[in-house]
Amino acid sequence: RKEVEQDPGPFNVPEGATVAFNCTYSNSASQSFFWYRQDCRKEPKLLMSVYSSGNEDGRFTAQLNRASQYISLLIRDSKLSDSATYLCVVNNLNRDDKIIFGKGTRLHILP
Amino acid sequence: EAGVTQSPTHLIKTRGQQVTLRCSPISGHTSVYWYQQALGLGLQFLLWYDEGEERNRGNFPPRFSGRQFPNYSSELNVNALELEDSALYLCASSLGQITTDTQYFGPGTRLTVL
Repeated sequence: RKEVEQDPGPFNVPEGATVAFNCTYSNSASQSFFWYRQDCRKEPKLLMSVYSSGNEDGRFTAQLNRASQYISLLIRDSKLSDSATYLCVVNNLNRDDKIIFGKGTRLHILP
Repeated sequence: EAGVTQSPTHLIKTRGQQVTLRCSPISGHTSVYWYQQALGLGLQFLLWYDEGEERNRGNFPPRFSGRQFPNYSSELNVNALELEDSALYLCASSLGQITTDTQYFGPGTRLTVL
C-alpha cells in the first residue's frame, strides 16, 4: 500500500455543486495532516490543516478518520476558481520525520 | 511581508553538468525544505534543514545535496545531472523544526536537463 494515496481524478463538477475527495495514508502513527491547493504551474499553497475533530473554513470542510486512516476534503457551492489540484500532506512524527505529499486530485469546475 | 523566494526561475542544463538552486525563506522561519516535482510523480521530499543542520533527507542519491546558511537561506546542489532530474524544484519554509509547522512554498525553479 502506498504511503499516501489520492484519486488522481479529474473530477469534473458543475459550478455550485458539492464535491468531496479522500486521501488515505498507511502509517497509523501519522500525526498531522494538511490539504494544499496547487494551480497549474504554480507552487502549492496551504488550504487548511486537518484536525481530529474536523474543521471548516467557509465552503471547505476537512475531516480526519483515524480508524480508517483517511482524510477528506469537502467543497460546497463550488466556484470556477476552485479548479486546481488538491494535495494531501501527511507528516509522520516517527524516527524518519517524513513529510509525504499525495500526488493530488485534479478538480475541474464546469460553468 | 516577502514570501519564500527562489532563484533562478528557469534553468537549462545538459547531462553531466552540475546545478545550484537557491532559496530564501520567509523572515523568521528557520526550517527550509526542498522538494522535487517531476511530471506525473507528485512532490517528492528531498531535504530538510533547520538551524543550519540537515535534519532529514528523502530517498534521493547522494548527488543531491545542499546546505543552509546562517541567515537560513539554503542551496540545493545537484551533481552529474541526469535527464530524469528535469523537474520543478520547490523550496518551502516553516517556523521551526517541528514537522507539524505549516510550510509555505516558493514559486520553484524549473530545471530542464537536455
